[in-house]
Amino acid sequence: LAKTTQPISMDSYEGQEVNITCSHNNIATNDYITWYQQFPSQGPRFIIQGYKTKVTNEVASLFIPADRKSSTLSLPRVSLSDTAVYYCLVVPGNTGFQKLVFGTGTRLLVSP
Amino acid sequence: DSGVTQTPKHLITATGQRVTLRCSPRSGDLSVYWYQQSLDQGLQFLIQYYNGEERAKGNILERFSAQQFPDLHSELNLSSLELGDSALYFCASSPKPTSGPSYEQYFGPGTRLTVT
Repeated sequence: LAKTTQPISMDSYEGQEVNITCSHNNIATNDYITWYQQFPSQGPRFIIQGYKTKVTNEVASLFIPADRKSSTLSLPRVSLSDTAVYYCLVVPGNTGFQKLVFGTGTRLLVSP
Repeated sequence: DSGVTQTPKHLITATGQRVTLRCSPRSGDLSVYWYQQSLDQGLQFLIQYYNGEERAKGNILERFSAQQFPDLHSELNLSSLELGDSALYFCASSPKPTSGPSYEQYFGPGTRLTVT
């Protein structure tokens, strides 16, 4: 499994756009990138997944450059409720099962 | 609400004891996963079941076992409990992807186990 590296913490203010970058230099051809959000004492919640270029949903956008060695989760206009830990995961695309390997994540703090 | 239910919400027990954690996946989901989250180890995958059969194993101790029943609910059994087993235990479920791979798992609220 490709190792991921992301900032331990980030600070932002309400209404700003937040970009969290994850490095995964050893990503394999079939690997997918997925992001999860976790609030304290709650289970993680799926945000978005992608393979290449850009993926957007109602919550976030995911930017993946051509070499796929990194990815950036973009959260538009964050609010206080976006304060959480964000995990970047690289998942093998050809194993037939979906074991998720979580790293330490990025702790995002949104202030008023 | 993810649709995944876990019972009990909290469990306090003594070292050496055995406990059973229960999980009901979302309606129609065949895959069930168990994860352990502790302060020092982070969130770790334990085991996966698919339609009653064990599919993948992670960092699950031999003192721990799990099973998935015909109605698709799952139980995680923890025995000979040690202080270090105190953690949040999450169950997750996922549907069979219909178009392309999907890594969306739906996590339950967790069971907080405290071993004293």
